[in-house]
Amino acid sequence: AQSVTQPDIHITVSEGASLELRCNYSYGATPYLFWYVQSPGQGLQLLLKYFSGDTLVQGIKGFEAEFKRSQSSFNLRKPSVHWSDAAEYFCAVAVTGANNLFFGTGTRLTVIP
Amino acid sequence: NAGVTQTPKFQVLKTGQSMTLQCAQDMNHEYMSWYRQDPGMGLRLIHYSVGAGITDQGEVPNGYNVSRSTTEDFPLRLLSAAPSQTSVYFCASSYSPSGSWNEQFFGPGTRLTVL
Repeated sequence: AQSVTQPDIHITVSEGASLELRCNYSYGATPYLFWYVQSPGQGLQLLLKYFSGDTLVQGIKGFEAEFKRSQSSFNLRKPSVHWSDAAEYFCAVAVTGANNLFFGTGTRLTVIP
Repeated sequence: NAGVTQTPKFQVLKTGQSMTLQCAQDMNHEYMSWYRQDPGMGLRLIHYSVGAGITDQGEVPNGYNVSRSTTEDFPLRLLSAAPSQTSVYFCASSYSPSGSWNEQFFGPGTRLTVL
């Protein structure tokens, strides 16, 4: 069965510091990969997605993610975090031929001044 | 465009009551879906639809019904509410029948409590 693992439940970083959020997936073929962000009390917004091609993808708000097939990972990065980045981040996987997304359990990001 | 709208924002039910969560989108998207979000479990797919008149089950469909009579609307019905259905419910839509492969636009959510 497909699964998505986000090993970090909660991460705290200082404003201006770099950020990396981890995501690992379990699937036999190359999946379609997504990162979503959820601000408190809001719905989810797509940050970026990977379907094929260049394994380093750029998203909105200065985020990027790198697909590493050998590690089954799709980690999200940002070089300098802003206080407004405090939110919950979800990694998601789409399965070829299916019509649903599988979500990880999320990582809550706290940004301290 | 209003995007994806959901009503109500909050709802409290007693065990055994029924209700309908409303979802509408004005983007002419074929694909629509319902998720529930529970602490520590991420989002899980309840039901989805790839077009008017077509619905299918997701990962956790028990206790819920859906219908899709129009492209715009995709209501979720709780037949007999149970405390285990206390959750935050999100509706989402996408511009392709292959919804998983394209960006899904999410509504603001409905917070449901079942006593």
